[in-house]
Amino acid sequence: DTEVTQTPKHLVMGMTNKKSLKCEQHMGHRAMYWYKQKAKKPPELMFVYSYEKLSINESVPSRFSPECPNSSLLNLHLHALQPEDSALYLCASSPTETGYTEAFFGQGTRLTVV
Amino acid sequence: DQQVKQNSPSLSVQEGRISILNCDYTNSMFDYFLWYKKYPAEGPTFLISISSIKDKNEDGRFTVFLNKSAKHLSLHIVPSQPGDSAVYFCAASEVGNQFYFGTGTSLTVIP
Repeated sequence: DTEVTQTPKHLVMGMTNKKSLKCEQHMGHRAMYWYKQKAKKPPELMFVYSYEKLSINESVPSRFSPECPNSSLLNLHLHALQPEDSALYLCASSPTETGYTEAFFGQGTRLTVV
Repeated sequence: DQQVKQNSPSLSVQEGRISILNCDYTNSMFDYFLWYKKYPAEGPTFLISISSIKDKNEDGRFTVFLNKSAKHLSLHIVPSQPGDSAVYFCAASEVGNQFYFGTGTSLTVIP
């Protein structure tokens, strides 16, 4: 199994809503990532979890709250988002945070904030 | 500040010919480089990588070249196929796997 599964694929939410994005991998990877990608832009790193602990937060606003319940799951809790937060949110995993290996990406969640 | 740049937003190539995608970086501490392919509304798919101790890595139709002194890498696809049409991102990392992505090049292979 070399898949990273993200749910939902699409999400429309209002600015006062609370929602969560989910990501799951069963490759035994110990590093998991959240990226944000706007149209015609490269993926931008948001958070890195290494061995279930948050190791990097790239100055992301607190309306985005990551959570790693176990080594296979990664959540991104969303609250009070703005329309400019609309983007494709990508989850990725890699065997470790420090090895020279590729990251495997999920298909992403297309988020629209209205 | 964009540390990884792909100066060609788009590239069109005839089927069967060579596609050359270029990438430049500014951080001399980057030591691992990757190419990803991305279709619309999908996540990036890993293609090929190279570490800084090498200057070439080949995998089937895909070859990546690294010129550390010029801080430049390129991806060669030979022969190009229509199914190769996608956006290609180069990525670089320093020490660990905190990947920094380039802006992408949209490749169109014309049948």
